[in-house]
Amino acid sequence: DSGVTQTPKHLITATGQRVTLRCSPRSGDLSVYWYQQSLDQGLQFLIQYYNGEERAKGNILERFSAQQFPDLHSELNLSSLELGDSALYFCASSAQGEKTQYFGPGTRLLVL
Amino acid sequence: AQSVTQLGSHVSVSEGALVLLRCNYSSSVPPYLFWYVQYPNQGLQLLLKYTSAATLVKGINGFEAEFKKSETSFHLTKPSAHMSDAAEYFCAVSVFGNEKLTFGTGTRLTIIP
Repeated sequence: DSGVTQTPKHLITATGQRVTLRCSPRSGDLSVYWYQQSLDQGLQFLIQYYNGEERAKGNILERFSAQQFPDLHSELNLSSLELGDSALYFCASSAQGEKTQYFGPGTRLLVL
Repeated sequence: AQSVTQLGSHVSVSEGALVLLRCNYSSSVPPYLFWYVQYPNQGLQLLLKYTSAATLVKGINGFEAEFKKSETSFHLTKPSAHMSDAAEYFCAVSVFGNEKLTFGTGTRLTIIP
């Protein structure tokens, strides 16, 4: 158990809908990262937050957004969903000054 | 930008045999290198990491990796494979000032009884 929690574990929705994925980092970790794992794209970095502020952006679509709240949990919002958004979405966290990221169990999203 | 290449998307070894999973990286600055393991329907678990200290790194479950700058490699090894090692293994790189992980495409390890 990495100490990173993600909810929900599974999500099934329809095209055009909007969903919110939630992540709670390890206790004390200030950085939260979001990654997408799909069969065709592999593991791709989406976005990083540090202590509530966006720090880095990767291959994140404009339909996707994220935020980190004062209690350090983070949410990834996916809107206008398409079939191709079906994937496993991971959250990871790291401590200040630490290079190692610890991953949550992921949320498996299926868009029908 | 940094990148990682994992040679061999599928590797099969017999139980008790040597495991060797290959990872080569590309980075214009000193890299930090990681191996993660993913069991079916689970998240990514850190196996080991290189963050510019000792070049031979020992991890969990008997795995180790050696950072070789001249070869830009960070191959993962285990002397004797166990059935429980069957999983997908990912090599990843990050650099100072850019903490995002860039992953390889993964290697699926199968253990033959």
